[in-house]
Amino acid sequence: DQQVKQNSPSLSVQEGRISILNCDYTNSMFDYFLWYKKYPAEGPTFLISISSIKDKNEDGRFTVFLNKSAKHLSLHIVPSQPGDSAVYFCAASAGSQGNLIFGKGTKLSVKP
Amino acid sequence: GAGVSQSPSNKVTEKGKDVELRCDPISGHTALYWYRQSLGQGLEFLIYFQGNSAPDKSGLPSDRFSAERTGGSVSTLTIQRTQQEDSAVYFCASSFMVLPYNEQFFGPGTRLTVL
Repeated sequence: DQQVKQNSPSLSVQEGRISILNCDYTNSMFDYFLWYKKYPAEGPTFLISISSIKDKNEDGRFTVFLNKSAKHLSLHIVPSQPGDSAVYFCAASAGSQGNLIFGKGTKLSVKP
Repeated sequence: GAGVSQSPSNKVTEKGKDVELRCDPISGHTALYWYRQSLGQGLEFLIYFQGNSAPDKSGLPSDRFSAERTGGSVSTLTIQRTQQEDSAVYFCASSFMVLPYNEQFFGPGTRLTVL
């Protein structure tokens, strides 16, 4: 039973355009959401996060949107660059629980 | 400062053998986590430590898996009598504390292959 779902295994975008990566969750107790980026043979690196009291968080080219009623969040990358090509994982946590629940990831390819 | 380090980076073992994976967290981080990623899957939580204690062992897949942390720093994940389904990349992460809104920093992982 997957609590965090990334339904698109892959996404291909042209350089300079917007990349939109989607994530759905089922556990209404989740109150903190994160996006991690992962290159091959490396560990995930933190990208951006959002708490459930907000609906948007922005950091440079990266913006995360949270729609609690739909249990949906998305990561927007504008403009996309070839160096953004990686696997992006959505993750969530609930209250004081230490662990993160991860989606299966979306492989983003940004073509020059 | 130095990030999370893990050793070995790769481990190939025969079915039935025991393996030990090591994690060195970021200095000063009191919380330490173990995850694993099987082929084509997301990261699966195994266990976390706050200091030397592990309040949540619910993610360990079987009693062949155990972990310890001593001195509030280095942790080892031990898998006894390895099986082929144990093949995965095992990641360690650390954070300043186990609290909401705490970013977890990941190590590069140990790729375990059980033949």
